[in-house]
Amino acid sequence: QSALTQPASVSGSPGQSITISCTGTSSNVGGFNYVSWYQQHPGRAPKLMIYNVDNRPSGVSNRFSGSKSGNTASLTISGLQAEDEADFYCSSYTSSATLVFGGGTKLTVL
Amino acid sequence: QLQLQESGPGLVKPSETLSLTCTVSGGSVSSTSYYWGWIRQPPGKGLEWIGTIYYSGSTYYNPSLKSRVTISVDTSKNQFSLKLNSVTAADTAVYFCARRYSSSFSFDFWGQGTLVTVSS
Repeated sequence: QSALTQPASVSGSPGQSITISCTGTSSNVGGFNYVSWYQQHPGRAPKLMIYNVDNRPSGVSNRFSGSKSGNTASLTISGLQAEDEADFYCSSYTSSATLVFGGGTKLTVL
Repeated sequence: QLQLQESGPGLVKPSETLSLTCTVSGGSVSSTSYYWGWIRQPPGKGLEWIGTIYYSGSTYYNPSLKSRVTISVDTSKNQFSLKLNSVTAADTAVYFCARRYSSSFSFDFWGQGTLVTVSS
């Protein structure tokens, strides 16, 4: 199964908003509302930030939001902060009853 | 508080079998609300889902690894395990175990990860 497509890198200044895209197909992102987003700091385990497209787990800042349109899901971070600098991964359930991750996006806070 | 801890050899020889165990504390692998999974990350690269298991023993595997992977659960020890056979250098990675809520396909709790290097 092919990985979901994410931009390799995005950047923004403190206080700004950024959006990371995650493009799949109708067999994964477009076909199910089971897109998740993870944040990973260097040397650490990933942390769940968004599940089921637009739901935030308890304890995750409301500066993080998710959405989906067709075969593309998006993660938006508003009010960018220095500690948001990390790698971000999307994942999706697939029609083969499997999971697939995106290639990852490095967020740099300028 | 839920904790997941991976354990197993950090070095495996090519063509041999990689074996890892994830010990769950503060929760039960027998819970009907959760699935349990393995994810790996080669050095400097992205995440790859390996597979998921339910307490009943139902398993789901990444098609690209399916022929070499076995995930099992031991409810008496509150553990689940990963076996990957015929390993090569391409299997060198940090291996994470994680919990997945049954009504979503996301992993909400992760172990710290363990680096497994395949080398002679």
